Amino acid sequence: SQTIHQWPATLVQPVGSPLSLECTVEGTSNPNLYWYRQAAGRGLQLLFYSVGIGQISSEVPQNLSASRPQDRQFILSSKKLLLSDSGFYLCAWSVLVLSHGPPMVDNSSPLHFGNGTRLTVT
Amino acid sequence: AQSVSQHNHHVILSEAASLELGCNYSYGGTVNLFWYVQYPGQHLQLLLKYFSGDPLVKGIKGFEAEFIKSKFSFNLRKPSVQWSDTAEYFCAVSRRGGATNKLIFGTGTLLAVQP
Repeated sequence: SQTIHQWPATLVQPVGSPLSLECTVEGTSNPNLYWYRQAAGRGLQLLFYSVGIGQISSEVPQNLSASRPQDRQFILSSKKLLLSDSGFYLCAWSVLVLSHGPPMVDNSSPLHFGNGTRLTVT
Repeated sequence: AQSVSQHNHHVILSEAASLELGCNYSYGGTVNLFWYVQYPGQHLQLLLKYFSGDPLVKGIKGFEAEFIKSKFSFNLRKPSVQWSDTAEYFCAVSRRGGATNKLIFGTGTLLAVQP
């Protein structure tokens, strides 16, 4: 069965320090991968998504970046954290169907979320 | 731009009361619609989804949602809530087809069920 791992679960970092959050998926190949941020009263905001190794799409301009060095690994980073980067970060995956044409999402596959990382920037 | 609106930010009900959580979306194409739930201390999980066919969708734990295309709505309902339904509920929309299933979420509704 497929599983998604996110770590660390909680993190307290000073302003100006770097950040690296890691997410790995097991039990599936070629997943779509996503980073979301959940803030109180603001729902879940999509930050980045990736349809393949080295392919990153950014949804909102910000102080963060993402990378996908391996098929099932998705990393969220920052060189210098801001106070406004505090929040709850969620990694997720969904199934990607590869066909003879352009890659298509499997419409029957919802997003599967990790347990999240609570980041507090002090 | 795509957006999802959840009108109720905080709902308090007594056990056995009926529930309806509103969700409206703004998108000019064919969509997939979802409701996710986050129980206290747990990860986000799928409650139900709509892709096509019968606009009345039944999910887990007695929940259902109705897609009304003319109103761009996908309201969540349950005839009789239980204390264990206390959670945060998120409506979400994605574009049908394409290379990604990225979801746009609403701001969430916090439901508290009093015993």
